[in-house]
Amino acid sequence: DAGVIQSPRHEVTEMGQEVTLRCKPISGHNSLFWYRQTMMRGLELLIYFNNNVPIDDSGMPEDRFSAKMPNASFSTLKIQPSEPRDSAVYFCASSLAGGLSYEQYFGPGTRLTVT
Amino acid sequence: KNEVEQSPQNLTAQEGEFITINCSYSVGISALHWLQQHPGGGIVSLFMLSSGKKKHGRLIATINIQEKHSSLHITASHPRDSAVYICAVEGGTGNQFYFGTGTSLTVIP
Repeated sequence: DAGVIQSPRHEVTEMGQEVTLRCKPISGHNSLFWYRQTMMRGLELLIYFNNNVPIDDSGMPEDRFSAKMPNASFSTLKIQPSEPRDSAVYFCASSLAGGLSYEQYFGPGTRLTVT
Repeated sequence: KNEVEQSPQNLTAQEGEFITINCSYSVGISALHWLQQHPGGGIVSLFMLSSGKKKHGRLIATINIQEKHSSLHITASHPRDSAVYICAVEGGTGNQFYFGTGTSLTVIP
């Protein structure tokens, strides 16, 4: 298996633009997680899905952030409009079963820079 | 106050040394994860445990639920072990996911 796939790997955009990050989980995994990592705040869980349904989005910083999982093999994290403070590395992870108490497999991350 | 505290923040060791990284948490948990983040940024899940001890190669993770403490041990450390090690717990009110700030390990040949 190719592992969790994220695209793009790097994204540079101007403030106010819409940004869409993409994730393909490992085939057969039922849970998908979006994380953000910054120097100031470390690693944070933004949202996670079980069987394509959002379970906990309490980590989503504000309404500018939205995440969707239209099917078991694809998820997006959208920021609209983007701001410089959104600059971070965004990781997607998937796990075989529902919830947090299972081993997660991380994608390589998307490094977002908002100027 | 952080729900998860790691120590030390930074650690430098000579190759071959035995290394211990500590994680203390303040919430009731259902699981604790140890993650390894390589210098290139990639994250690997090392262990997920809710009790006792797990071993994988030179890595050992233990957890004491009563004391709310976990340790990650690396035996016969090697320069390729150089990475940031992150402790994360699942628990608390609403079953949240809390992260430590990480321990940056450098193993010198």
